[in-house]
Amino acid sequence: DAKTTQPPSMDCAEGRAANLPCNHSTISGNEYVYWYRQIHSQGPQYIIHGLKNNETNEMASLIITEDRKSSTLILPHATLRDTAVYYCIVINFNKFYFGSGTKLNVKP
Amino acid sequence: EAGVAQSPRYKIIEKRQSVAFWCNPISGHATLYWYQQILGQGPKLLIQFQNNGVVDDSQLPKDRFSAERLKGVDSTLKIQPAKLEDSAVYLCASSLADRGNNSPLHFGNGTRLTVT
Repeated sequence: DAKTTQPPSMDCAEGRAANLPCNHSTISGNEYVYWYRQIHSQGPQYIIHGLKNNETNEMASLIITEDRKSSTLILPHATLRDTAVYYCIVINFNKFYFGSGTKLNVKP
Repeated sequence: EAGVAQSPRYKIIEKRQSVAFWCNPISGHATLYWYQQILGQGPKLLIQFQNNGVVDDSQLPKDRFSAERLKGVDSTLKIQPAKLEDSAVYLCASSLADRGNNSPLHFGNGTRLTVT
């Protein structure tokens, strides 16, 4: 299974875009990139996922590089409620293995 | 659509006691997962079911942990006997899994277990 590398923490000013990077250099052709976030005392919340095309939904945008070795999750206008741990996961055969994620601190 | 339901929300037991957690996945979801999340770490997959069959239990400590998914719907995770290091949040998740890797997991809010 492909492994992911994320920075342990990031800061972002409220109202600005938050760009969270993820490296998955060993990803294979049929493995999807998923993003989840976890707010204290809650289960992980699904955000977005993609295979090779960029994706956008009401929560975020996912940009995947052409070689698929890295991706960026973009929260266009971060709010204080976006403070959470963000997990980037590469899955195959429906197996979701979580790393340590990035703690995003949104500051007023 | 109702989410993944888990109970109890909190449980405190003494070491060497037994405990069981219950999970009701989203209706129609074929795949069910149990994760263990120790404070400060990401969730660790314990076991994965497809309907009522086990797909992956390679990280389940089988000497003390057991899980079942009778009739392919609800699931129960049991610890017997509990150790101090089992203190964690136990998360249940489910997925339609009808589109291969293109089916998101949906999580419950977990059961927080404290072993004293």
